[in-house]
Amino acid sequence: QSALTQPASVSGSPGQSITISCTGTNSDIGGYNYVSWYQQHPGKAPKVMIYDVNNRPSGVSNRFSGSKSGNTASLTISGLQAEDEADYFCSSYTSSSTVVFGGGTKLTVL
Amino acid sequence: EVQLVESGGGLVQPGRSLRLSCAASGFTFDDYAIHWVRQAPGKGLEWVSGMSWNSGTIGYADSVKGRFTISRDNAKNSLYLQMISLRAEDTAFYYCAKDATPGDSGSYSFDYWGQGTLVTVSS
Repeated sequence: QSALTQPASVSGSPGQSITISCTGTNSDIGGYNYVSWYQQHPGKAPKVMIYDVNNRPSGVSNRFSGSKSGNTASLTISGLQAEDEADYFCSSYTSSSTVVFGGGTKLTVL
Repeated sequence: EVQLVESGGGLVQPGRSLRLSCAASGFTFDDYAIHWVRQAPGKGLEWVSGMSWNSGTIGYADSVKGRFTISRDNAKNSLYLQMISLRAEDTAFYYCAKDATPGDSGSYSFDYWGQGTLVTVSS
C-alpha cells in the first residue's frame, strides 16, 4: 500500500488561509469517507483535527475544515495563527482493511 | 480523562523479539478498536496494526505481517504488540491510538494517542 501524496511544505501569513492536499486512489480516499487529518507539534503525539472527511472533533477550532473530491482530500485552515505551525498528516481507510497515511506536510506560519 | 500509556520499548538486537503494552483508562475499553501506529524519528506516521473491540477484526501493515501479533485483554484494559524477527527498519516510536467510533466498524480515525514508546533495533 503506497503512502498518500501530500506536499512536503506549505506556508502562509497570519490571518491567511491555506489548503493542504492529500491524493490517493480509488482503493483508499476515493472509495471511502474515512479520511482523517492529524496535527503534530515537535515532540508531541498527533492530534486529530478532522475525521470522516469533514467532521471536527469537539474542541477543535472551526478554522479547520476538510473536504474530498474524487481521490483527493483537502484540509483548509483559515485565519492562520502562529500555533497552527506544525506537521499535518492525512490518513485513509483502504480496501485492504488497513490504514494508509500521507507523508506529511510541514506548515510554516510566516 | 482518556489515557493511553505505552510501555515495553527499548534497545534490541536485530532478529530478537519485544512485546509492547498499552494501558488504557478513562473510557469503556471494550467498546473500541485500538491500533498501533509507529513513527521513525524525524519521519512520517505508519499504521502498524489494529484490533476491533472483540478481537474479531485484526489487520496488519504488509511491512509487519507475519512478524507482529496484536492482542488485547479487555479485562485488563490493555493492548499488546508482540514483535519478532525485528529489523533495523522497525526502529520507531510506537503509539497506541483509540478509534474514534465505537463498535464493529470503527472509523479508522484515531482520537486519542499515547505518548509513545521508542523501539530501537540495532546491534
